[in-house]
Amino acid sequence: SQQGEEDPQALSIQEGENATMNCSYKTSINNLQWYRQNSGRGLVHLILIRSNEREKHSGRLRVTLDTSKKSSSLLITASRAADTASYFCATTNAGGTSYGKLTFGQGTILTVHP
Amino acid sequence: DSGVTQTPKHLITATGQRVTLRCSPRSGDLSVYWYQQSLDQGLQFLIQYYNGEERAKGNILERFSAQQFPDLHSELNLSSLELGDSALYFCASSVSGGKNIQYFGAGTRLSVL
Repeated sequence: SQQGEEDPQALSIQEGENATMNCSYKTSINNLQWYRQNSGRGLVHLILIRSNEREKHSGRLRVTLDTSKKSSSLLITASRAADTASYFCATTNAGGTSYGKLTFGQGTILTVHP
Repeated sequence: DSGVTQTPKHLITATGQRVTLRCSPRSGDLSVYWYQQSLDQGLQFLIQYYNGEERAKGNILERFSAQQFPDLHSELNLSSLELGDSALYFCASSVSGGKNIQYFGAGTRLSVL
């Protein structure tokens, strides 16, 4: 079953604008990761944030994590048409028995218009 | 290119049949994961192997089985196929079996007719 919810389900913006996607999850986590998927293709890892971190940056990406609210957000600044894709958050649970299993959210479909 | 190779890219078969999906992990990665992506269920974890041994199991049907060979490649076997098994099947690999970044293959699109 899906760990969390992502919102919005779909986001449509113009090039140059910022895109913000949110993710909520249900259990205690070890880390939270964001992945991108271009239409029907494999997932590409974007960024990982550990449960003891609150914010992380990578290029045009900024991720925040609020473990008290069990939520995360992904901000893509100065978006480009090439950013058009589905974005998924994925968590690895705290505790020793889940190993590296990723539990994915439902994803946000981002469309960036030139 | 993630370095994870999946074959075949597309598979079309009939209900009741059996298929094998193959995955070669990135060089040096010991852990292999299988995921299923469908419109109604989203991305679901199926099973994880680490250095030849099963490490974790998710929502994998009894009709499905997997193994990881000594050269670390993995195969996912799907039998008695049903229409609902039509989906994208992804393999991912990581260096260890722990909670770290996974690198995904391009997937195998299975269509059961």
